[in-house]
Amino acid sequence: DTGVSQNPRHKITKRGQNVTFRCDPISEHNRLYWYRQTLGQGPEFLTYFQNEAQLEKSRLLSDRFSAERPKGSFSTLEIQRTEQGDSAMYLCASSLTSGLSTNEKLFFGSGTQLSVL
Amino acid sequence: AQKVTQAQTEISVVEKEDVTLDCVYETRDTTYYLFWYKQPPSGELVFLIRRNSFDEQNEISGRYSWNFQKSTSSFNFTITASQVVDSAVYFCALRFGGFKTIFGAGTRLFVKA
Repeated sequence: DTGVSQNPRHKITKRGQNVTFRCDPISEHNRLYWYRQTLGQGPEFLTYFQNEAQLEKSRLLSDRFSAERPKGSFSTLEIQRTEQGDSAMYLCASSLTSGLSTNEKLFFGSGTQLSVL
Repeated sequence: AQKVTQAQTEISVVEKEDVTLDCVYETRDTTYYLFWYKQPPSGELVFLIRRNSFDEQNEISGRYSWNFQKSTSSFNFTITASQVVDSAVYFCALRFGGFKTIFGAGTRLFVKA
């Protein structure tokens, strides 16, 4: 069990640029989540995948945000035309569950800290 | 509304003191799950405990204990004989309905030697 891996750890970009983050979940985990965390706040849900299917998206996820999990393994989160308000820690979490179970514990990565200048 | 409130922003204690972190939640659902996670300086949230809404039995795990009271919608977390390694941000979280977990704003705990 190597844990959830996120790359890069830090990203500094200029406003208007596109950025992409990657998350590698624990290998057998079928669910993958993206959260955003700003300073002094708890993680806010962005989106969720069951295998390769994106099943839920938060209203926080504007049209500039897109997430994929093409083969049901790793996931990418892309932000287009970044804005200063996008600066935050982007956390990925994964879990292993069966059926429609909703009580599973989440395993989190260390996050990608995005700074938009 | 579904909401988790952690009213304590920061708590500072001296090693070996006991400390209780408060969590109050709101939900209309009758079936829900409550969690506590720890976020050390490295940034990675670590799962501590999970309770479902039908199980109000309190739980103790080593120096950690949890008090779940549906009557007051609270799920408080106590660390007994705190240690410096307990210094972290602690989040209470609520899962309801679908697959979304909402987190409180967190309580930053400082344990001084």
